[in-house]
Amino acid sequence: EAQVTQNPRYLITVTGKKLTVTCSQNMNHEYMSWYRQDPGLGLRQIYYSMNVEVTDKGDVPEGYKVSRKEKRNFPLILESPSPNQTSLYFCASAQGGHEQFFGPGTRLTVL
Amino acid sequence: AQKVTQAQTEISVVEKEDVTLDCVYETRDTTYYLFWYKQPPSGELVFLIRRNSFDEQNEISGRYSWNFQKSTSSFNFTITASQVVDSAVYFCALTDMEYGNKLVFGAGTILRVKS
Repeated sequence: EAQVTQNPRYLITVTGKKLTVTCSQNMNHEYMSWYRQDPGLGLRQIYYSMNVEVTDKGDVPEGYKVSRKEKRNFPLILESPSPNQTSLYFCASAQGGHEQFFGPGTRLTVL
Repeated sequence: AQKVTQAQTEISVVEKEDVTLDCVYETRDTTYYLFWYKQPPSGELVFLIRRNSFDEQNEISGRYSWNFQKSTSSFNFTITASQVVDSAVYFCALTDMEYGNKLVFGAGTILRVKS
């Protein structure tokens, strides 16, 4: 089954404690991306990757890092989380201009 | 700059009513894609439709229909005979071709369908 998986689905953490949200897709897509969703703001892109070892900033990259060492994986790293990073996070993958497949979301709370 | 406006923050209807969700976009691209996604209370994003800028034909899928008008930069979504299960947040989105497959989302419209 074609899918994008994210882990964990829910996470409560404290300010400053490094965390990683994993994302994996099984569709051999070249393009992967991270979005965050906040009430009234829709979804905003954090980082994206056009292919292995090719990453770039989206609209709201501050406080986040990513890596793309393998085609299927695109982890999101928060080196020192802060409360303003409390949000719902989605990973997505796509090929060309086609439908973006979204993961199930990760609800992060930073205390 | 790419921009998507969903002016209706929240809509409430009674079951079996028809409802239209508005979407207006701004783009610098001549080739672009428009999307609608549904986000039910469970939180996942469900793909509904993709339309490219060269295809202005309206589309119907069951109770759902979409009206794409380049002249007014609009891509409106109509649900006919709404049902309680249609209650969700609906997002309209536009590709930003300068950044590959980046999607620019509207703020979303909350649809509440009451029985």
